[in-house]
Amino acid sequence: KAGVTQTPRYLIKTRGQQVTLSCSPISGHRSVSWYQQTPGQGLQFLFEYFSETQRNKGNFPGRFSGRQFSNSRSEMNVSTLELGDSALYLCASSLEGSGAYEQYFGPGTRLTVT
Amino acid sequence: AQSVAQPEDQVNVAEGNPLTVKCTYSVSGNPYLFWYVQYPNRGLQFLLKYITGDNLVKGSYGFEAEFNKSQTSFHLKKPSALVSDSALYFCAVRGRQGNNRLAFGKGNQVVVIP
Repeated sequence: KAGVTQTPRYLIKTRGQQVTLSCSPISGHRSVSWYQQTPGQGLQFLFEYFSETQRNKGNFPGRFSGRQFSNSRSEMNVSTLELGDSALYLCASSLEGSGAYEQYFGPGTRLTVT
Repeated sequence: AQSVAQPEDQVNVAEGNPLTVKCTYSVSGNPYLFWYVQYPNRGLQFLLKYITGDNLVKGSYGFEAEFNKSQTSFHLKKPSALVSDSALYFCAVRGRQGNNRLAFGKGNQVVVIP
């Protein structure tokens, strides 16, 4: 089975712009979660989608949004970018997103905001 | 809400020596527990999980973890460390009630010295 894929892998944007990141989960997985990873804050949970519905949300401002499509692919959008948004954004997929099911992570999208 | 504590920022160990990475958790009821590893510029890789039953769980690459309910701990161990084990290790917990998200610790950097 193909793993979780994320596009693009690297992105450079300027403050004030917006960005859309894409995630394709493992085939058959219905849950997709997004995380922001920075050296100072570690791994922070953004949101989780299951069958096109947002099921859980972390403590991020409304500039961060996401969605999931009927084929389980997911996108996250960050509007009005700030320098502090520079991070590695990780997507993870899981069969059910709850219980004992582990998450499988993509390689991440490295976003740099200048 | 569930949470994980990984008390040490960095663990240094000589190659060939036993490796232990500590993790304690807080969750309502019985937990599902996971360990992940992250190599530089990569996503997280699943190592092992505890669901129920035997308190000693064996996983990938010779790693194992011991679940201790009374101490609410789930320490990761490897009998003989390799230089290639140098990476960032994350412990995670999920409660068994409802649609709880996976809560990650801040991560431990493991450095195996040749």
